[in-house]
Amino acid sequence: KNEVEQSPQNLTAQEGEFITINCSYSVGISALHWLQQHPGGGIVSLFMLSSGKKKHGRLIATINIQEKHSSLHITASHPRDSAVYICACMEYGNKLVFGAGTILRVKS
Amino acid sequence: DTEVTQTPKHLVMGMTNKKSLKCEQHMGHRAMYWYKQKAKKPPELMFVYSYEKLSINESVPSRFSPECPNSSLLNLHLHALQPEDSALYLCASSLGTGEISPLHFGNGTRLTVT
Repeated sequence: KNEVEQSPQNLTAQEGEFITINCSYSVGISALHWLQQHPGGGIVSLFMLSSGKKKHGRLIATINIQEKHSSLHITASHPRDSAVYICACMEYGNKLVFGAGTILRVKS
Repeated sequence: DTEVTQTPKHLVMGMTNKKSLKCEQHMGHRAMYWYKQKAKKPPELMFVYSYEKLSINESVPSRFSPECPNSSLLNLHLHALQPEDSALYLCASSLGTGEISPLHFGNGTRLTVT
């Protein structure tokens, strides 16, 4: 069993839909990252959180430390949101343990 | 645009070549990282530098040789690579390894070994 599990692996949505990507982890963490990777490679850190909820534009990330679970929500999804979304748990010492990623495709 | 700059963006090299990947950041970060990413897989940590000293080497073969000449620069020297080393090589930086801080990634160097 992977230390960081993401679901779903693949997600296709229609433009405007509300999207949720889930992440469950079994490691002890200091923080959790949600990352976005577009085709071509570059990775962007969307959120780093260690408790509660954060919001940036149409993106919302939540974490429940007791349940070892985090979610990334995208409201009013748009085709430009199409990317791979990766949950990465930060162990002590800033070492990241990555989930396998969720491939999101938003159709217009 | 990313604040971590990697060069070159693409590199094709033969198995007998020697080449270097470069990474630069001017955010005052004291921790820098090299990751390797194969297609459709998450990144794998290779090396961590903290205050210009190698702090983590994830059992990477010696044909990969990292170097941190100063706090802003991180190099990865490549020699006698194998075709299976073809991958996207990502550099990242953070404030430090002893504090919780977000990682900033570069756009990567896509390496092809022929």
